[in-house]
Amino acid sequence: EIVMTQSPATLSVSPGERATLSCRASQSVGSNLAWYQQKPGQAPRLLIYGASTRAIGIPARFSGSGSGTEFTLAISSLQSEDFAVYYCQQYNNWPPWTFGQGTKVEIQ
Amino acid sequence: QVQLVESGGGVVQPGGSLRLSCAASGFPFSTYDMHWVRQPPGKGLEWVAYIRSDEGSIYYADSVKGRFTISRDNSKNTVFLQMNSLRAEDTAVYYCAKDFWSGFFDYWGPGTLVAVSS
Repeated sequence: EIVMTQSPATLSVSPGERATLSCRASQSVGSNLAWYQQKPGQAPRLLIYGASTRAIGIPARFSGSGSGTEFTLAISSLQSEDFAVYYCQQYNNWPPWTFGQGTKVEIQ
Repeated sequence: QVQLVESGGGVVQPGGSLRLSCAASGFPFSTYDMHWVRQPPGKGLEWVAYIRSDEGSIYYADSVKGRFTISRDNSKNTVFLQMNSLRAEDTAVYYCAKDFWSGFFDYWGPGTLVAVSS
């Protein structure tokens, strides 16, 4: 089973600033990495797939990068609606499909 | 537009059973693989079960293998999760999710809460 590790657990950022979230896989997953955003009381929403492709309707301020075992989600200028929990997920080796434990982006 | 709506959650005693349903619309359901993913209160996401579009492949997380059964009815655009021998650690919001042909989840339902408690 591939273990996904996200850091930091919590990221405190001011609105308008840039946020950088990290995700590491226990073995290579190629580019088969997705990012999701989850707000309280809501289902997760797909942001990025293929490590760097934005899903339909996702603003350009969200960008993904990386391959192999190291991945990054960047939010270029945080808006109020971006404060949420973000999860990475690998889909290279399955089953199981595995998620990171999440990074909470909170208002500083 | 794509819609997934789960139902069937509730409170059940340890050892009990529940059957979750997920009604899908807005896409050709019979051509897409489907998953169940759960989230315990205040915790992260855990993949639970997968079913291929034609039911030709089914997989389960080790934590539910032998107790949960995933199935689908393509004539009714619905996927099911039969949960038996429920334990306290199965308490979670259960989401159904559509697979984008590659193993990530492009649409999710709002979820249904399952609480296992005596």
